[in-house]
Amino acid sequence: SYVLTQPPSVSVAPGQTARITCGGNNIGSKSVHWYQQKPGQAPVLVVYDDSDRPSGIPERFSGSNSGNTATLTISRVEAGDEADYYCQVWDSSSDHPEVVFGGGTKLTVL
Amino acid sequence: QVQLVQSGAEVKKPGASVKVSCKASGYTFTGYYMHWVRQAPGQGLEWMGRINPNSGGTNYAQKFQGRVTMTRDTSISTAYMELSRLRSDDTAVYYCARGAAVALNWGQGTLVTVSS
Repeated sequence: SYVLTQPPSVSVAPGQTARITCGGNNIGSKSVHWYQQKPGQAPVLVVYDDSDRPSGIPERFSGSNSGNTATLTISRVEAGDEADYYCQVWDSSSDHPEVVFGGGTKLTVL
Repeated sequence: QVQLVQSGAEVKKPGASVKVSCKASGYTFTGYYMHWVRQAPGQGLEWMGRINPNSGGTNYAQKFQGRVTMTRDTSISTAYMELSRLRSDDTAVYYCARGAAVALNWGQGTLVTVSS
């Protein structure tokens, strides 16, 4: 089955830019979605279809996807951005189409 | 606004079954797939499957084939996920989420504890 690989942790100072990667075989050919999850809360969609933002999500959140790597970029990081972030794709390449999540990345704001 | 309200926490013994409900409001229930995703304590998100509320058709993750059943009642805009032959490692928060290939909105989660 398809595998998505994320770094376990990323640290960034307030006001700086955080980049969280999501690696997968030819992931650039798939649509990638990103979720933010704060402790004790349900996940929230922050980027869908590689680079689109749902309503209510700040412009500071952006995404890109090419080759074997998708990236979630958070500009001007704030303390409130500290959370776990998960990438996700829909893998229809096999007889069993399925949703695949990355392992998650914990973003720490220093 | 879209709301997904899940049933309350459950405690089950190994070998038992659990059925979690997810009541939808604020949109056309039959217009969007409903996914089920679980998260074990301190772990990441794990997809279990999805149901098409319009047709009742399902896609299950291979890991759960034979143990999970997803159904819906369109008359009350509610989706259900039943997991059988529970084990201790099924202890997790179970979420429903609306969408097709992407989870647009999530329920608040239901904690299922499996313990003897």
